Amino acid sequence: DIVMTQSPVSLAVSLGERATINCTSSQILFYSSNNKNYLAWYQQKAGRPPKLLIYWASARDSGVPDRFSGSGSGTDFTLTISSLQAEDVAVYYCQQYYNTPRTFGQGTKVEIK
Amino acid sequence: EVQLVQSEGGLVKPGGSLRLSCAGSGMTFNNAWMSWVRQAPGRGLEWLGRIKSKTAGGTTDYGAPVKDRFIILRDDSKETVYLQMNSLKPEDSAVYYCNTDSSGSRYWGQGALVTVSS
Repeated sequence: DIVMTQSPVSLAVSLGERATINCTSSQILFYSSNNKNYLAWYQQKAGRPPKLLIYWASARDSGVPDRFSGSGSGTDFTLTISSLQAEDVAVYYCQQYYNTPRTFGQGTKVEIK
Repeated sequence: EVQLVQSEGGLVKPGGSLRLSCAGSGMTFNNAWMSWVRQAPGRGLEWLGRIKSKTAGGTTDYGAPVKDRFIILRDDSKETVYLQMNSLKPEDSAVYYCNTDSSGSRYWGQGALVTVSS
């Protein structure tokens, strides 16, 4: 199974400041035949199902604010919130969909400092 | 608008069984690959398994903790996917979510709380 490791476990950022979450996979998630990284990012607020933010490592899903961006390739990926808003308080997860089982990182809790 | 509406969960005794359902609407359900994910209280997300569309073979894949105990089924005539859970253990207590399995999971059900306790 591909192991997904996120860091940090929690993060406190001032409103308007940048938040950066890292995700490392134990295997390469890049598929050369289509030039894509099989990596997604989700936001989960308390008591709610996860919400897809980013797919193919850097494609923002429809309706997701442009302060959210994804980057990286191969085994190292990053989710950046460029200017943290109060509504961004949540737990963020990365997930690989390169193969099954589709494994998640352990989550990063983002709070306001 | 795509919606996934799940059945209620429930309280089950250890060793018991429960079937959850997830009905899709606003989508071409028979083309969708569907997954189940769970979340134990205060814990992270755990992928349980997936069923492909019938045109892709309709096959299933499962995560190790539930393989041989859980079964994912689909009835495209009812636009519904099911999670049949057998031999339930206390550690299976969680909120269970269905979702679409594509390039990431865009659509999710509302979740169903399953508690396994005597």
